[in-house]
Amino acid sequence: DVKVTQSSRYLVKRTGEKVFLECVQDMDHENMFWYRQDPGLGLRLIYFSYDVKMKEKGDIPEGYSVSREKKERFSLILESASTNQTSMYLCASSPDSLQDYGYTFGSGTRLTVV
Amino acid sequence: GDSVTQMEGPVTLSEEAFLTINCTYTATGYPSLFWYVQYPGEGLQLLLKATKADDKGSNKGFEATYRKETTSFHLEKGSVQVSDSAVYFCALRLILTGGGNKLTFGTGTQLKVEL
Repeated sequence: DVKVTQSSRYLVKRTGEKVFLECVQDMDHENMFWYRQDPGLGLRLIYFSYDVKMKEKGDIPEGYSVSREKKERFSLILESASTNQTSMYLCASSPDSLQDYGYTFGSGTRLTVV
Repeated sequence: GDSVTQMEGPVTLSEEAFLTINCTYTATGYPSLFWYVQYPGEGLQLLLKATKADDKGSNKGFEATYRKETTSFHLEKGSVQVSDSAVYFCALRLILTGGGNKLTFGTGTQLKVEL
């Protein structure tokens, strides 16, 4: 069964800390994505990557950065965590962009910044 | 910009009732359209999709038809069950000119099915 695995299910961090959220996929997918999910706002795209070492800003990249050193791993970095970054973070992957596949999502990381 | 608008929830139905969740979209180009479902405590799962006008996606008794003339992709099910209780997200997918693709989601509609 194909999988997208997020390293933590729940995370509590202090304001100002540097936070790393890790995502690994075992499907050899080219494309990977980070979304945040907030009540009433749905899912909003933070960053995505369509190849190793490539990254593109999504709709709300401010306060975040990403790293993709290997095809299977896509990390989201909060450089200095703030309380307004308390949210559910979802990682997803999809194969070649020329094919019309849906995304496979991880189970999410619920981050609380105190 | 590209966007998806869904009806607000929660939607509360009795078991075996008919379900419609409305979804309309705005997009440049020709998007593919998707419905995702999120059960409590889980990530999103693909429910169904349609890639061009007049296509009908279907899965697990759910259906949605890609209507280009009304820019809509409404989700329907003839007889809902308690196990269908979840949050449903409509989404559109566009291929980006610079490479890659991205999904744009609606805000989600919570469905509660009661006995």
